[in-house]
Amino acid sequence: AQSVAQPEDQVNVAEGNPLTVKCTYSVSGNPYLFWYVQYPNRGLQFLLKYITGDNLVKGSYGFEAEFNKSQTSFHLKKPSALVSDSALYFCAVRDKSGNTPLVFGKGTRLSVIA
Amino acid sequence: EAQVTQNPRYLITVTGKKLTVTCSQNMNHEYMSWYRQDPGLGLRQIYYSMNVEVTDKGDVPEGYKVSRKEKRNFPLILESPSPNQTSLYFCASSLYGTLTGELFFGEGSRLTVL
Repeated sequence: AQSVAQPEDQVNVAEGNPLTVKCTYSVSGNPYLFWYVQYPNRGLQFLLKYITGDNLVKGSYGFEAEFNKSQTSFHLKKPSALVSDSALYFCAVRDKSGNTPLVFGKGTRLSVIA
Repeated sequence: EAQVTQNPRYLITVTGKKLTVTCSQNMNHEYMSWYRQDPGLGLRQIYYSMNVEVTDKGDVPEGYKVSRKEKRNFPLILESPSPNQTSLYFCASSLYGTLTGELFFGEGSRLTVL
């Protein structure tokens, strides 16, 4: 069965500093990996995905994520954090066999401090 | 505007009083799904539907029912709500199921069962 772990409940970073939100996964076979963001009182919004190809994936709002197969990780990164990036971030995974459901992590709350 | 619309957004009810949370999407998506979001547990899938008249259980289907009689609508039914169903519920849709992982989420429905 596939699973996702987000080891940090909360990440605090100063505005202008780089940010990293961690995600590790477990699937049988090759993964499809995703990041979603949830702003207060809103639904989740798709940020980016890794399906195949280049290990560094670029997404919305200046975010990017790096797929590392040997470490089974898909960490979300941004070179310079903004206060408006403060939100709840979810990593999700599915395997490549068929139309299986996405499995979400528990979420990491990012706080960017001015 | 492309969107997933859920109603009601907020509801307080009592144990045992049947309720329905509606979900409608205007993007002609085939795939629709319901999730519940609880603190520390992330998003857990309740039910999903690959197309009209096709529904399947997710990870936490107990106490819920769904139907998919039309492509655009996917209501979530709680026949006899209990306090452990107090949660934040999200409906999501996608054009091609979870193949691309780009789910579109509604704004959420916060349900309190007393």
